[in-house]
Amino acid sequence: DAGVIQSPRHEVTEMGQEVTLRCKPISGHNSLFWYRQTMMRGLELLIYFNNNVPIDDSGMPEDRFSAKMPNASFSTLKIQPSEPRDSAVYFCASSILAGGYNEQFFGPGTRLTVL
Amino acid sequence: AQSVTQLDSQVPVFEEAPVELRCNYSSSVSVYLFWYVQYPNQGLQLLLKYLSGSTLVKGINGFEAEFNKSQTSFHLRKPSVHISDTAEYFCAVKKSSGTYKYIFGTGTRLKVLA
Repeated sequence: DAGVIQSPRHEVTEMGQEVTLRCKPISGHNSLFWYRQTMMRGLELLIYFNNNVPIDDSGMPEDRFSAKMPNASFSTLKIQPSEPRDSAVYFCASSILAGGYNEQFFGPGTRLTVL
Repeated sequence: AQSVTQLDSQVPVFEEAPVELRCNYSSSVSVYLFWYVQYPNQGLQLLLKYLSGSTLVKGINGFEAEFNKSQTSFHLRKPSVHISDTAEYFCAVKKSSGTYKYIFGTGTRLKVLA
């Protein structure tokens, strides 16, 4: 299995530009999570989906952030317009509920730098 | 609500010495507990987990953790560390039912010195 795939691995953009991060979860997993990691705030859950439906988006910081999961094998996290304070590593994770427990498998992350 | 506290942001230790990384949690309901490791420029990977049963849990790479309900702790230990254990370690908690959501601690950076 290829694991969770994220693209791009690195993104450098200028303030005000639109940024789209992509995630392909592990085949067969029915839950998908987007996290943001910064030195100041650690690892924060932004949003998670179950069976392609957003369940909890309370961690999405502002309306500038949006996430979609059009099908079971693809999700995007979009920031429009981007700001320097959005600079962080964004992780996608997927899991499958089995026996009342879901182990999360993380992708390698996308390092976003907004100038 | 659940929360996780990792009091030590950095832990330096010499190679082949033992190490303990501390994790305390708070929750009013039954929880599952996890330790994840993050190597430089990589995502998090599961080190070990406590779901139920024996309070001493063994994980990969020689790590183990002990669940202590009375002290609400889940400390991670290794009797002899290697240079390759240098990484960031995250403790996480999840309600045992009713949610997929994990709450992560702020992480402890373990630096193994030669």
